[in-house]
Amino acid sequence: QKEVEQDPGPLSVPEGAIVSLNCTYSNSAFQYFMWYRQYSRKGPELLMYTYSSGNKEDGRFTAQVDKSSKYISLFIRDSQPSDSATYLCAMSTNAGNMLTFGGGTRLMVKP
Amino acid sequence: GAVVSQHPSRVICKSGTSVKIECRSLDFQATTMFWYRQFPKQSLMLMATSNEGSKATYEQGVEKDKFLINHASLTLSTLTVTSAHPEDSSFYICSASLNTGELFFGEGSRLTVL
Repeated sequence: QKEVEQDPGPLSVPEGAIVSLNCTYSNSAFQYFMWYRQYSRKGPELLMYTYSSGNKEDGRFTAQVDKSSKYISLFIRDSQPSDSATYLCAMSTNAGNMLTFGGGTRLMVKP
Repeated sequence: GAVVSQHPSRVICKSGTSVKIECRSLDFQATTMFWYRQFPKQSLMLMATSNEGSKATYEQGVEKDKFLINHASLTLSTLTVTSAHPEDSSFYICSASLNTGELFFGEGSRLTVL
């Protein structure tokens, strides 16, 4: 079993839909959680960064962390075709430590 | 967010030659940088952790003599693919973290070995 599990997709939604992306993990020592967006042939771009449990909102993006369930989510409201990309979750036990990545979910938002 | 710059973005070389890829943190100092490799439609694979002023730490299965890493300053790490072969063709990405734990990636370098 991988330390971080993420459904590879592809996830196809119509423009304007709410998108829910999720990761589960097994290491209860993870405290720092990140979501990255990666367009084809580009480096990953940091979208959201959260510490411990709770919610964080930034524009159309909301990140949720439920440490008791070892489950994190990224919600995208009013999805746009430009949101079509691969989304990677990542987590670490301490700041500056090596990240453990999920395999990525490919999202396609259709106009 | 913090900026990590990677150069070159694309490189094509002949088999047997060596290729150097640079990774710079433009607006912050990074004592640690990470080098990843990514195959098409796959996730990132950590190759090595680059530590300023000391030897890099390589992941299991990554050849130290093949992938030379130098982290000579707090803003620059380099990856040299020595005696490149077609199987080394891949997308190489570096990253650097703030002391808050946020990790920022470079734009990536696509290596094609003919």
